[in-house]
This record gives sequence, structure tokens and C-alpha cells, in this order.
Amino acid sequence: AQKITQTQPGMFVQEKEAVTLDCTYDTSDQSYGLFWYKQPSSGEMIFLIYQGSYDEQNATEGRYSLNFQKARKSANLVISASQLGDSAMYFCAMRVAGANNLFFGTGTRLTVIP
Amino acid sequence: GAVVSQHPSRVICKSGTSVKIECRSLDFQATTMFWYRQFPKKSLMLMATSNEGSKATYEQGVEKDKFLINHASLTLSTLTVTSAHPEDSSFYICSARRRPGTEAFFGQGTRLTVV
Repeated sequence: AQKITQTQPGMFVQEKEAVTLDCTYDTSDQSYGLFWYKQPSSGEMIFLIYQGSYDEQNATEGRYSLNFQKARKSANLVISASQLGDSAMYFCAMRVAGANNLFFGTGTRLTVIP
Repeated sequence: GAVVSQHPSRVICKSGTSVKIECRSLDFQATTMFWYRQFPKKSLMLMATSNEGSKATYEQGVEKDKFLINHASLTLSTLTVTSAHPEDSSFYICSARRRPGTEAFFGQGTRLTVV
């Protein structure tokens, strides 16, 4: 069975600072993908970044980077130079190869402080 | 990225009535659409997977007679909450993908309140 764990229900970060949101996962599958989504108060889910289990390099997308440590089964999201607009819920998710749906963590609420 | 539109964004209905939520892929054909429900302080839980032209596959514990899902075309899937009760109040969100193995894109979500 697949499981995603986000242990930080809430995080605060000063504007312009970097912040790391933790995500650990559990799966017996060798081929899987890891995703991070941002959910602002409006409710929509915004795709941020993707990391494949066989990708050797950590994924980066602008101010977002994924610190992928396969042996530790962690896929932490790093947001650099935080902005007020980054305040939102952040969900880590996983999909194993051949499966349809995404398994989501419980999310981390990030608040950026001016 | 592809655009998925969900309508309505908010709906309030009386207990015992039915409400329909639409999920449309605006600029691509979606062979598969997913319906999730988000509980307060919990993650999104997959309710069902619908493939165009076939019956939806429901996750364990989801009442298929209560949550009717129709995927009649490659651009539209609907979720109908029948005989709604206050405990059905939640945030429902859909996602759609072109074909297996490709990225799924999310709609904006629907906040359902049953009074």
C-alpha cells in the first residue's frame, strides 16, 4: 500500500527566506512519481513540481526545488525567496506506475510573514 | 498546461435534494477523470475514477448510488450528489488526464454546503 506523510501541519516563514516542507512516502513499487501541489484559499490545486523515482537529478522549477532522497524515501519541497503569495496549503502526492490515482498527504499550511 | 473547469465553484442545497457538479476539460480530450473529496484538515481522498463511455470505478467506502458519476464525453464528467445530507458538505475536486501515464490537471473545486 502507498502512503504519504506530511508531518508539519503548519509552517511559518519570513518573506524572502527559504522554507522546506517535509514529505516522506512509503511504497513497495520501484517505479513511481512524486508531486507537489499548492492549494490556495480558493481551493484549486496548482501543480508545482514532479520527481520521477528514476530521475537522478533533483527536480527544480523556478523557486521550487525538490530534495529527493530515495534511500530515505523523502521528497521535501524547498521554496526559495518566499513571497506573500506563497501562503497556502501544500500537498505532497505520489502515483505508482500503472496506477490511476494520486495518493495525497494531509498537507502543510504555509504562512509567509511580511 | 491544460485547463480543467469545474462548475459551480460553490453551491448550497437543501437536505434531501440532489446537486450536480460538472468537470470539463476545455482544451484537451480527457479519457479519464477523477473525483476527489477533501475533508477538513485531511488530504484529498479519491472517490471514483471515470473513463469515457464506461461505468465509473468507485473506491471502497464510496456509495455509488449516492454519488453518481457520468462521463458521457471526452470533455465532460459529472458528479451528482443524490439526496444530499449535511454530512455530504465538503469540497469536491475533479482532475482529468488525456491518457494513462500522462499528467492529470485539476479543476478549481466545488464547495458544497447542505443545509
